[in-house]
Amino acid sequence: GENVEQHPSTLSVQEGDSAVIKCTYSDSASNYFPWYKQELGKGPQLIIDIRSNVGEKKDQRIAVTLNKTAKHFSLHITETQPEDSAVYFCAATGANSKLTFGKGITLSVRP
Amino acid sequence: KAGVTQTPRYLIKTRGQQVTLSCSPISGHRSVSWYQQTPGQGLQFLFEYFSETQRNKGNFPGRFSGRQFSNSRSEMNVSTLELGDSALYLCASSLGSNSYNEQFFGPGTRLTVL
Repeated sequence: GENVEQHPSTLSVQEGDSAVIKCTYSDSASNYFPWYKQELGKGPQLIIDIRSNVGEKKDQRIAVTLNKTAKHFSLHITETQPEDSAVYFCAATGANSKLTFGKGITLSVRP
Repeated sequence: KAGVTQTPRYLIKTRGQQVTLSCSPISGHRSVSWYQQTPGQGLQFLFEYFSETQRNKGNFPGRFSGRQFSNSRSEMNVSTLELGDSALYLCASSLGSNSYNEQFFGPGTRLTVL
């Protein structure tokens, strides 16, 4: 089945800097890659997603890039703010149509 | 529009007991998925129900089971609880069973097994 790995497990940045979170996947048939943000005490919330027929997608301060050849995709957050501090999960849909999540990364934005 | 609700929010059980968790999806959503979240393993897929039928199942033992009712509400049951079952159990609903459909998560049920 699909295996999604997320690196690093923690990331600390200064407010205003950019943050990049990388994920790799194993199933070359995967075609959908969402990113979720989980704040303390809440369930994960979709923040952006990308399909395999697109290389990049942007929504205000966040963007996602996909490299199908290398089987990795990344989340980019620019001009980080304290409210961006949360756990971020990447996920991929494999041939079985199940969403497989990475283990999450804790992003801390220092004021 | 009300979000996904899960009850109870917190639960404490002892080893060997069984537990039932409930999930009410967003109105109109017919697909409900369950996940187990632990610090070391992230979100692990348990199963998905669509129109009262189990569509997908993760790699969990048979002690974990679920069902979906005609109103799309879903329950999951864990029998013969083990210490390792302590986790946050998340329910997510979506319009359809296609994975392109955005999954909306509830706040989760925190289960502690003593």
